[in-house]
Amino acid sequence: DVKVTQSSRYLVKRTGEKVFLECVQDMDHENMFWYRQDPGLGLRLIYFSYDVKMKEKGDIPEGYSVSREKKERFSLILESASTNQTSMYLCASSRGDRSYNEQFFGPGTRLTVL
Amino acid sequence: RKEVEQDPGPFNVPEGATVAFNCTYSNSASQSFFWYRQDCRKEPKLLMSVYSSGNEDGRFTAQLNRASQYISLLIRDSKLSDSATYLCVVRQAAGNKLTFGGGTRVLVKP
Repeated sequence: DVKVTQSSRYLVKRTGEKVFLECVQDMDHENMFWYRQDPGLGLRLIYFSYDVKMKEKGDIPEGYSVSREKKERFSLILESASTNQTSMYLCASSRGDRSYNEQFFGPGTRLTVL
Repeated sequence: RKEVEQDPGPFNVPEGATVAFNCTYSNSASQSFFWYRQDCRKEPKLLMSVYSSGNEDGRFTAQLNRASQYISLLIRDSKLSDSATYLCVVRQAAGNKLTFGGGTRVLVKP
């Protein structure tokens, strides 16, 4: 059974704190993604990675960075959290074969920045 | 204009009825199309891919109209368990990047 796990379901941080969100997949997928989901705006892509140590900006990368040191793990970093980064964060992974693009999502982390 | 647009709903559907809704996309070079389902407070999951000739999976039928740049989803004989948000998803010409619509909420009532 495919599985994507995220380090926390709920997280509360203060403005200016550095925040790490961790994502691990056990499907040996090449591709991993970080999204945020906000009411009325849907899922928006923050960053993605096609391979270890490789990253590409998504649609809204400002204020975020990522790290992929191992194939199974993709971390999202908020260098200095701000209140407008309060959101639901979803990690996903998919196979590298471009003909098959199903993304498998983790359960999400609801981050609140006070 | 958003790349992928959906009517947010909610569509209130009597149990057993048929419901259909569309999604429009702006990039004519879009290559692949999908419907994902997201239950309340859960993660999105792939419902079905959408093929040019249209395709069916049980009570669900998906259609693609490239000329008018929209895809549709039809649910027949609605069940209470069909209540969810349906996300329209489009893959652009290159890579594995997907663009998600805002979702259409469907509520099936007894």
